[in-house]
Amino acid sequence: DAGITQSPRHKVTETGTPVTLRCHQTENHRYMYWYRQDPGHGLRLIHYSYGVKDTDKGEVSDGYSVSRSKTEDFLLTLESATSSQTSVYFCAIRAGPSYEQYFGPGTRLTVT
Amino acid sequence: EDKVVQSPLSLVVHEGDTVTLNCSYEVTNFRSLLWYKQEKKAPTFLFMLTSSGIEKKSGRLSSILDKKELFSILNITATQTGDSAIYLCAVLNDYKLSFGAGTTVTVRA
Repeated sequence: DAGITQSPRHKVTETGTPVTLRCHQTENHRYMYWYRQDPGHGLRLIHYSYGVKDTDKGEVSDGYSVSRSKTEDFLLTLESATSSQTSVYFCAIRAGPSYEQYFGPGTRLTVT
Repeated sequence: EDKVVQSPLSLVVHEGDTVTLNCSYEVTNFRSLLWYKQEKKAPTFLFMLTSSGIEKKSGRLSSILDKKELFSILNITATQTGDSAIYLCAVLNDYKLSFGAGTTVTVRA
């Protein structure tokens, strides 16, 4: 347990609505990441952060934005949810002696 | 574009069998290769490999990296039903992980 929580854990929303997912860590790690996981694709990086207010895009960033106003929280926002954004979303932090990444419990998002 | 390819995509074995999972990669600025195990929840970290030819072991699991041929293997010996999971390979460049699609291992009693 790397001290990572995600909220909500499950959410069903309608197409076109904005959605915000929260990742919270308790151990002051500098790097935080948002991934989505879909069958056949493994995990794909959406956005990552390397410090407060420092963020950058990953490989599947279209339709997503992020914010990090304090070290412990990294927010992922779907500006206008689409059915293609139905997925399981994982937050991760970079930690450990070799800077490996550790994952939160995930949020299952369904867009109807 | 970074690429990580795992094979096979899935396999079914019986308890006691040995399993070999493959991971090949093409990435820029390679730092290390990581293996994760994922049951019905978040991936959990297994190994990180940085140097060629040095085997990492943890119980019945072992892994080795070949940086010249750009691949890694993960072996599971004397498999148990608790080894049933998706095994994910990922390659770390300076700041991000690129994941393969995973290998689903099913161990039958």
